[in-house]
Amino acid sequence: SQKIEQNSEALNIQEGKTATLTCNYTNYSPAYLQWYRQDPGRGPVFLLLIRENEKEKRKERLKVTFDTTLKQSLFHITASQPADSATYLCAPGSAGNNRKLIWGLGTSLAVNP
Amino acid sequence: DAGVIQSPRHEVTEMGQEVTLRCKPISGHDYLFWYRQTMMRGLELLIYFNNNVPIDDSGMPEDRFSAKMPNASFSTLKIQPSEPRDSAVYFCASSLDGRNGPQHFGDGTRLSIL
Repeated sequence: SQKIEQNSEALNIQEGKTATLTCNYTNYSPAYLQWYRQDPGRGPVFLLLIRENEKEKRKERLKVTFDTTLKQSLFHITASQPADSATYLCAPGSAGNNRKLIWGLGTSLAVNP
Repeated sequence: DAGVIQSPRHEVTEMGQEVTLRCKPISGHDYLFWYRQTMMRGLELLIYFNNNVPIDDSGMPEDRFSAKMPNASFSTLKIQPSEPRDSAVYFCASSLDGRNGPQHFGDGTRLSIL
């Protein structure tokens, strides 16, 4: 069955450093992949989308890569700030008319001042 | 613009009672999704609608769950009868037509069945 794996352990980093979160998938060939941020008690908020023909996508301090050979996406936050502390979810999606996303469990990031 | 609005934010009820969760999507969005989130299983898609029509309800756990979308601005998810294992956070999300469009989530309903 399709499986999405994200770092299960919380990631703790120092303010100003780069945070790197991993999303691996198996038994799946997504056409695109979305990343969301979720704060406690709130719904997920969309951050970035990357398509299978794109190797890298950037938005301000965020960068996402998509390696279809390794079946992996990496999510980077550069110059991290305490306000970046949250849970980050990856959600690959397939081509075609099905609008379903398959969601990872998320990785908790804590940026320490 | 208002985002996706869900009500109630919290619901505590006893096993066997009927539970109705409500969602108002963002105006102009023609896709609406209902999710359930737990620590163990993460976000699970229950059902989604396009232009008020249910498209895929394969994630609905059993017949006790039902969802309706009577018009473009309102949807309900009903559980009858409720069971303790239904305790979770239920999210509604909407999106514009578009193959890979981002989904906009409400802040969820935290449901506790005693």
